[in-house]
Amino acid sequence: QQPVQSPQAVILREGEDAVINCSSSKALYSVHWYRQKHGEAPVFLMILLKGGEQKGHEKISASFNEKKQQSSLYLTASQLSYSGTYFCGTEPGGNQFYFGTGTSLTVIP
Amino acid sequence: GAGVSQSPSNKVTEKGKDVELRCDPISGHTALYWYRQSLGQGLEFLIYFQGNSAPDKSGLPSDRFSAERTGGSVSTLTIQRTQQEDSAVYLCASSFTSTSGANVLTFGAGSRLTVL
Repeated sequence: QQPVQSPQAVILREGEDAVINCSSSKALYSVHWYRQKHGEAPVFLMILLKGGEQKGHEKISASFNEKKQQSSLYLTASQLSYSGTYFCGTEPGGNQFYFGTGTSLTVIP
Repeated sequence: GAGVSQSPSNKVTEKGKDVELRCDPISGHTALYWYRQSLGQGLEFLIYFQGNSAPDKSGLPSDRFSAERTGGSVSTLTIQRTQQEDSAVYLCASSFTSTSGANVLTFGAGSRLTVL
């Protein structure tokens, strides 16, 4: 049930770009992205619906391919504040809302 | 309230004791979720409440875990006869349904449970 994210961890220098992938074995109604900083609760970044691509937050955007049951999060010109663990969340339909395995992102000066 | 409120923020208990964790969701949010996050791990779905419907308990790891939601608002997660493997941060989230029909979750700060 749990979506799989890749990579598990990534280290970037400020200004570099990164892509985080999320893949589900179940058909998706929507995909959400959340960021969790160390010791804090996850915070909503953006939501993507079927057929949609949304630029939601800072220089972070995402895409959603419902056919492939995949989503990707694009972080452009990363800043130190981007550091944290990124989770995709999926609503395969019905009541459940599942989060992915998480990707730890560290941005260094 | 302004956000999702959870209590206690920290709980240390002895193995075998029962614990109760409380979640007060955002006013007007009809859906409420409980997740468990072990150290360095992802978010494990536990249980989901939506309005007056029967809860989805499919994520509860054992019959020692139970949850209720009174009056469609405050929820209590109860863990009986706690074990050391129950040590984790327990996160509560409530959600509203966006105009698109999708749910957007707002999380509380979590309750950190340590079982000695």
